[in-house]
Amino acid sequence: KAGVTQTPRYLIKTRGQQVTLSCSPISGHRSVSWYQQTPGQGLQFLFEYFSETQRNKGNFPGRFSGRQFSNSRSEMNVSTLELGDSALYLCASSLDWADYTFGSGTRLTVV
Amino acid sequence: AQTVTQSQPEMSVQEAETVTLSCTYDTSESNYYLFWYKQPPSRQMILVIRQEAYKQQNATENRFSVNFQKAAKSFSLKISDSQLGDTAMYFCAFMPTQGGSEKLVFGKGTKLTVNP
Repeated sequence: KAGVTQTPRYLIKTRGQQVTLSCSPISGHRSVSWYQQTPGQGLQFLFEYFSETQRNKGNFPGRFSGRQFSNSRSEMNVSTLELGDSALYLCASSLDWADYTFGSGTRLTVV
Repeated sequence: AQTVTQSQPEMSVQEAETVTLSCTYDTSESNYYLFWYKQPPSRQMILVIRQEAYKQQNATENRFSVNFQKAAKSFSLKISDSQLGDTAMYFCAFMPTQGGSEKLVFGKGTKLTVNP
């Protein structure tokens, strides 16, 4: 079966710009979670969506937002990019509680 | 707040030998899941093993097994017969089962190198 697909794989943006990342979950999975991975802070939870509703949100500024569509695909958006937003952004989908499949992530570089 | 600590930033092991990665966690929850994930250079987080806190029996998946000590809040991963393909970052993670919160809390990771 197809895995979790994240696009694009790499992205370079300039400070002040905004960016949208996409995540297509495994077919049938209704929960999608997003994580930010940096060398300094490690892996941090951004938010989780289930059936188009945000169920949980991590401790990130309002510049970070997301949404989920009726087909369970999810997008996350970061506005007014800062250098510190450079990170690997990972998406995970799940069918059952605590059964996650991760994508290969989007590497965002802010210059 | 829950925290997960991996005290070994880096470890190395010879091929075919056994290695143990350490993980401790702090929580006031009584029911939760613990995980070990592997992240190779391909960047994808791959589930190695999962343990439910209410189960006293330690989880095992082929060459991978855990030593779960609930009272000590310890969850170590043992890799037997190490293979070159086991070279990766390994992350310990925690998730409570109550409160509707599907949120993984990760440790900082242990970089494991398997040498030929």
